[in-house]
Amino acid sequence: DSGVTQTPKHLITATGQRVTLRCSPRSGDLSVYWYQQSLDQGLQFLIQYYNGEERAKGNILERFSAQQFPDLHSELNLSSLELGDSALYFCASSVDTGGHSGNTIYFGEGSWLTVV
Amino acid sequence: DAKTTQPPSMDCAEGRAANLPCNHSTISGNEYVYWYRQIHSQGPQYIIHGLKNNETNEMASLIITEDRKSSTLILPHATLRDTAVYYCIVRLAGGSTGGSEKLVFGKGMKLTVNP
Repeated sequence: DSGVTQTPKHLITATGQRVTLRCSPRSGDLSVYWYQQSLDQGLQFLIQYYNGEERAKGNILERFSAQQFPDLHSELNLSSLELGDSALYFCASSVDTGGHSGNTIYFGEGSWLTVV
Repeated sequence: DAKTTQPPSMDCAEGRAANLPCNHSTISGNEYVYWYRQIHSQGPQYIIHGLKNNETNEMASLIITEDRKSSTLILPHATLRDTAVYYCIVRLAGGSTGGSEKLVFGKGMKLTVNP
């Protein structure tokens, strides 16, 4: 158990709909990362938040957005869903205090999204 | 883009040591080598990391060459449960600039441990 909690574990929804994936980082971790893993794309970095602020953005579509709340949990919002958005979405967290190198990133077990 | 090169696959006999190679010829001085593995769509699992010295923990050993251009992950006694995709990742240390220390995954290497 990595200590990173993701909900829901599985989600089936229709095209055009909107879903929210939730992540609780490990206790004390300030950074949250979101990754997408589809069959043909491997693990793709989407976005990182650090202590409530966006720190890095990767291959995240404009239909997707994320935020990190004061209690440090994070949500990934996916809207106008398309069939191609079907994937595993992973959340990860790290201490990432800045100025300290080598902070390990721990992953949750993922949220399976199926768009039909 | 991933900055590492791994063979696509490798087989290993159960109980034997598994030596997983990784090339990272363009690594810079402030980048760490990290190893993760992913067992059948589970969340990637952290194994070990190092900067320039060899490292060992309860899961594995990491051997980094002196020039830091390659490394080897060693699983000393492979079991069937070690069958997974292994990722070697070079990770930028954010340091005082507060830059992102995100992990960039490549295709990894499928290790199959055979009975």
